[in-house]
Amino acid sequence: NAGVMQNPRHLVRRRGQEARLRCSPMKGHSHVYWYRQLPEEGLKFMVYLQKENIIDESGMPKERFSAEFPKEGPSILRIQQVVRGDSAAYFCASSTRGVGDTQYFGPGTRLTVL
Amino acid sequence: AQKITQTQPGMFVQEKEAVTLDCTYDTSDQSYGLFWYKQPSSGEMIFLIYQGSYDEQNATEGRYSLNFQKARKSANLVISASQLGDSAMYFCAMREGFLSNFGNEKLTFGTGTRLTIIP
Repeated sequence: NAGVMQNPRHLVRRRGQEARLRCSPMKGHSHVYWYRQLPEEGLKFMVYLQKENIIDESGMPKERFSAEFPKEGPSILRIQQVVRGDSAAYFCASSTRGVGDTQYFGPGTRLTVL
Repeated sequence: AQKITQTQPGMFVQEKEAVTLDCTYDTSDQSYGLFWYKQPSSGEMIFLIYQGSYDEQNATEGRYSLNFQKARKSANLVISASQLGDSAMYFCAMREGFLSNFGNEKLTFGTGTRLTIIP
């Protein structure tokens, strides 16, 4: 049973470019969560999605960041016009039914903004 | 106030000894869940163990156990018979409104403890 998959594992962008991070949840999981980890810090919640719905985006920066989880295909975290402060590890997690269920994490995408 | 506090930035432990990683939490919810994750140097986040606020017994998973003291709001991770492969960052996390507040699924993480096992 494949775990949560994220790609790319490493992404380098220049300031002002767009970054697209993909997450495929575990088989049978329909709830996806995105977290950001700055160097030497714990993970910070960004957004929680179900298929075609954003349930909680309280941790998303108001500008430049967006997320989607379409009916078909992976969840996408999109960062427009990246800045150096966006450099971080971005983790996706998935769970089966949301309420009271364990979140399993993918390997993360390390974004470096030059 | 910090929701999750891990007061040990780093720990060094001799191989085969037991180790306790501290975690205290702050919540006014009656239902909540506490989790421990391991992050090795390769960077992935590995789920270790879970404790629900209504669970009467401490959770155990192999060499991992969770010392849950509800009145003290602590959820310490105990690793028995430590191994070199246990060297990693360990994060405590909490989810509030566990059963009563659908949609509040986010995990709040502590700052982590870096555990180093010495041969």
